[in-house]
Amino acid sequence: AQSVTQLGSHVSVSEGALVLLRCNYSSSVPPYLFWYVQYPNQGLQLLLKYTTGATLVKGINGFEAEFKKSETSFHLTKPSAHMSDAAEYFCAVSSPLVFGKGTRLSVIA
Amino acid sequence: KAGVTQTPRYLIKTRGQQVTLSCSPISGHRSVSWYQQTPGQGLQFLFEYFSETQRNKGNFPGRFSGRQFSNSRSEMNVSTLELGDSALYLCASSLGAGPRSGANVLTFGAGSRLTVL
Repeated sequence: AQSVTQLGSHVSVSEGALVLLRCNYSSSVPPYLFWYVQYPNQGLQLLLKYTTGATLVKGINGFEAEFKKSETSFHLTKPSAHMSDAAEYFCAVSSPLVFGKGTRLSVIA
Repeated sequence: KAGVTQTPRYLIKTRGQQVTLSCSPISGHRSVSWYQQTPGQGLQFLFEYFSETQRNKGNFPGRFSGRQFSNSRSEMNVSTLELGDSALYLCASSLGAGPRSGANVLTFGAGSRLTVL
């Protein structure tokens, strides 16, 4: 069975600081990996995905993630946090799509 | 084009009642998946339908059921409601076809928030 572990249920960063959200996966087959973001009272929106090929994946809003097979990781980063990045972030492995518990990102002015 | 539409957005029921939630996928999408989101358990997979057939099922009791119609619209039903069924129910659609269908992006609706009293 596939599973995802997100380290840290809540991460707080200062505006302009590096954002790092950690995700480790377990999969018996080559995984398809995703990061989604959820703003309050909304559904989930895709940030980026990894299927095959280049292991560094760029997404929307300046986010990127690197697939590291040896570490079974797919951490999400952004060089400089913005207030509008405050939301809940979910890592997921497919298929079917199985989510981690989520990490709530707070951005401090 | 229109996104994934879920109705109703909010509803309140009492224990023992049943509820039906509806999902209209993006035009052309043939796969519909349902998820339950709660503060304690996070996002949990309920089931996936493709071309009117249930393709995958999560670990939920038989009180939770779903179906998909020929136009790809989907409904899920929860019978004999319990307090613990209070949650945000999210529907997502994708193209869903082909050997690499797992790589397809799921597009989510805004959800139906169910409160059970």
